[in-house]
Amino acid sequence: KAGVTQTPRYLIKTRGQQVTLSCSPISGHRSVSWYQQTPGQGLQFLFEYFSETQRNKGNFPGRFSGRQFSNSRSEMNVSTLELGDSALYLCASSVGQKNIQYFGAGTRLSVL
Amino acid sequence: AQSVTQPDIHITVSEGASLELRCNYSYGATPYLFWYVQSPGQGLQLLLKYFSGDTLVQGIKGFEAEFKRSQSSFNLRKPSVHWSDAAEYFCAAYPTSGNEKLTFGTGTRLTIIP
Repeated sequence: KAGVTQTPRYLIKTRGQQVTLSCSPISGHRSVSWYQQTPGQGLQFLFEYFSETQRNKGNFPGRFSGRQFSNSRSEMNVSTLELGDSALYLCASSVGQKNIQYFGAGTRLSVL
Repeated sequence: AQSVTQPDIHITVSEGASLELRCNYSYGATPYLFWYVQSPGQGLQLLLKYFSGDTLVQGIKGFEAEFKRSQSSFNLRKPSVHWSDAAEYFCAAYPTSGNEKLTFGTGTRLTIIP
């Protein structure tokens, strides 16, 4: 069974641009969660989608948004990029009530 | 507030020595508990999980963890570490009531010396 796939693996953007990251969950998993990981803040929860609906949201500004499609694939978008948005963005998919999350390899975003 | 604490930011052990990484949680009811490992530049890999029952759980790569309700702890152990175990380790918790977020500790970086 294929794991969680995140594309692209690396991105370089400049301040003020916007970016879209993609996540394909494990087949059969309907929940997708996104995290931002930085050396200073650690792993921070962005949001979770389940059956195309946002189920939970972390404490991030409105520049960070996401969506989920009917095939459970998810995208997250960051508009008006800031230098502080440079981070590893991780996606995880899960199934079932115990929420065992399986992570992708991440997308490394660098904002110049 | 719900939280997960990993008191050790960085631990160094010799190859072949035993390892224990500490994790404490603060939840109203015992949550589901997890340990993940992350190699540099990679995603997180699930090592093991605890839901209920036997307090000693076995995971992959020779790791085990012990749940202690009285101490609100879920410590990760390995009898003999290998150089390939050098990585960052994260403890995480998810409330049994569901429909909430998975909360991570701040991580413990493990260095192995020959």
